[in-house]
Amino acid sequence: QVQLQESGPGLVKPSETLSLTCTVSGYSINSYYWTWIRQPPGKGLEWIGYMYNSGSTNYNPSLESRVTVSVDTSKNQFSLKLTSVTAADTAVYYCARGFRYFDWLLFDPWGQGTLVTVSS
Amino acid sequence: EIVMSQTPLSLSVTPGQPASISCKSSQSLLHSDGKTYLYWYLQKAGQPPQLLIYEVSNRFSGVPDRFSGSGSGTHFTLKISRVEAEDVGVYYCMQSIQLPLTFGGGTKVEIK
Repeated sequence: QVQLQESGPGLVKPSETLSLTCTVSGYSINSYYWTWIRQPPGKGLEWIGYMYNSGSTNYNPSLESRVTVSVDTSKNQFSLKLTSVTAADTAVYYCARGFRYFDWLLFDPWGQGTLVTVSS
Repeated sequence: EIVMSQTPLSLSVTPGQPASISCKSSQSLLHSDGKTYLYWYLQKAGQPPQLLIYEVSNRFSGVPDRFSGSGSGTHFTLKISRVEAEDVGVYYCMQSIQLPLTFGGGTKVEIK
């Protein structure tokens, strides 16, 4: 059974870099779309980006200048880095596995999510 | 980017009664390959979203058949034939025909 678990600091200062890791268990990280999605408190879902095909990435244009998603196959983990954070980046951050079923991109499973607060 | 709009914002339903949620996209989700890239997710309180439906109407593994999806082009509907207590949460539609992937604002379903 595939499981994902986010980890990282719950508090980040403004202008600093948010760094999160998602540990994947039960499956090899060598394929799929390894994805980050966030949800500001009380609000909806925002796709951040993903890495796939062992190195290709796509990011939300609204975040592209600040975001990096990377994969560490040796640790079966993937990571998110978001630079120059502001209070607007305060959110629950979810990692998720995306997989192609024919031409559709399905997200399952998801991690439980981790709240990151940007505050001094 | 494609904007996804959902109505209503919230819904209060008596158990056993039907519920319907609408999702509209700012552009057609029908691809030139003939497929439609519309999904539905349910987020229960304190949990991550879970996939319910893909390609408008196909239920994901383990999803009860009381959930059904319909629609085409830019207008889509999720229906619950008989709402149960475990169906409470926020429902989101999502599109993947074009990056960035975008979600609707969500519809909160509560039990009366």
